[in-house]
Amino acid sequence: GQNIDQPTEMTATEGAIVQINCTYQTSGFNGLFWYQQHAGEAPTFLSYNVLDGLEEKGRFSSFLSRSKGYSYLLLKELQMKDSASYLCAVMDSNYQLIWGAGTKLIIKP
Amino acid sequence: TAGITQAPTSQILAAGRSMTLRCTQDMRHNAMYWYRQDLGLGLRLIHYSNTAGTTGKGEVPDGYSVSRANTDDFPLTLASAVPSQTSVYFCASSAGQTTGELFFGEGSRLTVL
Repeated sequence: GQNIDQPTEMTATEGAIVQINCTYQTSGFNGLFWYQQHAGEAPTFLSYNVLDGLEEKGRFSSFLSRSKGYSYLLLKELQMKDSASYLCAVMDSNYQLIWGAGTKLIIKP
Repeated sequence: TAGITQAPTSQILAAGRSMTLRCTQDMRHNAMYWYRQDLGLGLRLIHYSNTAGTTGKGEVPDGYSVSRANTDDFPLTLASAVPSQTSVYFCASSAGQTTGELFFGEGSRLTVL
């Protein structure tokens, strides 16, 4: 079966760096996506990786290793507004998105 | 810009009643999706439409139906609601079926009693 694994919850300190991991097993691979979802709100797109390596976008970076079935989202200079759930999703060979359950990130002052 | 609009925002429904959740987008996106989100589970795809006039079943389609009469609208109907359909429902769209950048509506919280 297809599976996306990510930690349920993480805690970090304001101003620090946090890495949220995602491992996947899917039928084929057409890209990996990270979304941010604040409590009670809709998910919003953060990043997309299809080739191995690091994609940087401001304070957020996303890394992909296709051979290991592994990605991480790196958040730098954490701000209180970064408190949210972070969803990892993989597009399979049928171009369907398979979603992880999300990682709830708690930022403490 | 409106993007995607869902209605209603929340609803309490008696079991056995029917309900239609409305979804409208103004981005002229080809693909549209309905997901449900339950605590501890990832987003689960109910139905999708790759282009106007076509629909397909997702991971959890039972008890739900959709139509795509035009590009902008993608309503989701529960013919006879059951308590297990209590969830938050998100409508989303993307430029095409191979595009993983989805734009989501604000969600519809449905409680079936």
